[in-house]
Amino acid sequence: GNSVTQMEGPVTLSEEAFLTINCTYTATGYPSLFWYVQYPGEGLQLLLKATKADDKGSNKGFEATYRKETTSFHLEKGSVQVSDSAVYFCALSDRSGGSNYKLTFGKGTLLTVNP
Amino acid sequence: DTGVSQDPRHKITKRGQNVTFRCDPISEHNRLYWYRQTLGQGPEFLTYFQNEAQLEKSRLLSDRFSAERPKGSFSTLEIQRTEQGDSAMYLCASRVTSSDTQYFGPGTRLTVL
Repeated sequence: GNSVTQMEGPVTLSEEAFLTINCTYTATGYPSLFWYVQYPGEGLQLLLKATKADDKGSNKGFEATYRKETTSFHLEKGSVQVSDSAVYFCALSDRSGGSNYKLTFGKGTLLTVNP
Repeated sequence: DTGVSQDPRHKITKRGQNVTFRCDPISEHNRLYWYRQTLGQGPEFLTYFQNEAQLEKSRLLSDRFSAERPKGSFSTLEIQRTEQGDSAMYLCASRVTSSDTQYFGPGTRLTVL
């Protein structure tokens, strides 16, 4: 079956620090990969996505590259802000036949950025 | 475009009661999903609709759960005889056929006392 493993949190950083959140996946097919962000008390917001090997998704200074050889999709940001404090979820969408493109999520990583 | 909306945002109920949640997807999104998220975990898939047809149900969806999407527009998720283990955030998401990107609503937080 499909699974997503992301680094355990919580992660605490100072403002302007470099962020990496590791994500690896197992999939029977050739999935699309996503990062979603969840602010307290809210639903999930799409942060970025990539649909094929070596694609780089980017948004709001965050980046992640689809690495098929290492089955990874690590999230990075060069300089975090206090407003980036949230829970980050790595997810895959199974595009194999009959999968209905449902999402499989990691457990989430809580990021806290201090001023 | 308005986003995905869900109602209510919060629901507190006593064990054994029935509850119903509503999801309004983004207009023209014909694919709709329900997920459940418990504290400290990622969302887990519950069920999937293509237009009005319910095409997949997770084994997480016990007999006490039922979902509908009449006319292929809004969807409802009903839980009968609620149990404390049903306490969770219930998330709805929708997408168009041409993309696998799902857009999520704000969720309904259910607390069963």
